[in-house]
Amino acid sequence: QQQVKQSPQSLIVQKGGISIINCAYENTAFDYFPWYQQFPGKGPALLIAIRPDVSEKKEGRFTISFNKSAKQFSLHIMDSQPGDSATYFCAATGSARQLTFGSGTQLTVLP
Amino acid sequence: EAGVTQFPSHSVIEKGQTVTLRCDPISGHDNLYWYRRVMGKEIKFLLHFVKESKQDESGMPNNRFLAERTGGTYSTLKVQPAELEDSGVYFCASSRGLPRETQYFGPGTRLLVL
Repeated sequence: QQQVKQSPQSLIVQKGGISIINCAYENTAFDYFPWYQQFPGKGPALLIAIRPDVSEKKEGRFTISFNKSAKQFSLHIMDSQPGDSATYFCAATGSARQLTFGSGTQLTVLP
Repeated sequence: EAGVTQFPSHSVIEKGQTVTLRCDPISGHDNLYWYRRVMGKEIKFLLHFVKESKQDESGMPNNRFLAERTGGTYSTLKVQPAELEDSGVYFCASSRGLPRETQYFGPGTRLLVL
């Protein structure tokens, strides 16, 4: 049973457009929600993270929106650039420390 | 500061053989995690070390997998005997120690079992 569901599986966006990736979780014990970015041949790297006591967090062109009642959160990439092309993973964790990941979204930003 | 390193980067073995993966965490990181991504699916947790002790090994698929962390430094993950379904990318991550702290991932070992 997958505890964090991520969509879409792949996403193609034009340069300058907005990329949106959605995730939903089931375990209400999760209290920290990071997003990881992975480039080919590299390991996942933390991009941005949010706690459930806030509804939105913004860092540069990247924004996380969080809906605690719906148990959903999403990543928005504004003004998407070809250099943003990568695989994005949402994740969730709590006191257990292990990360529970979504299945990943392959983002391609066309020049 | 050097990042998390993993060796080998790729391994191709035949079913029934043994493979040992190695992970060197960031210096000073007491927490070490192993994860696996199979066939483009989600990255799944395997186990968690705090120093040399296994804190949580609930994600280990079966007893063909053996993880060790001698002296609380590097860690090895041995698969013996390997099966076809063990193919995937094995990631190691490390962190200092607080919950919800950033985990730093290595580049992974791509294992293919034929």
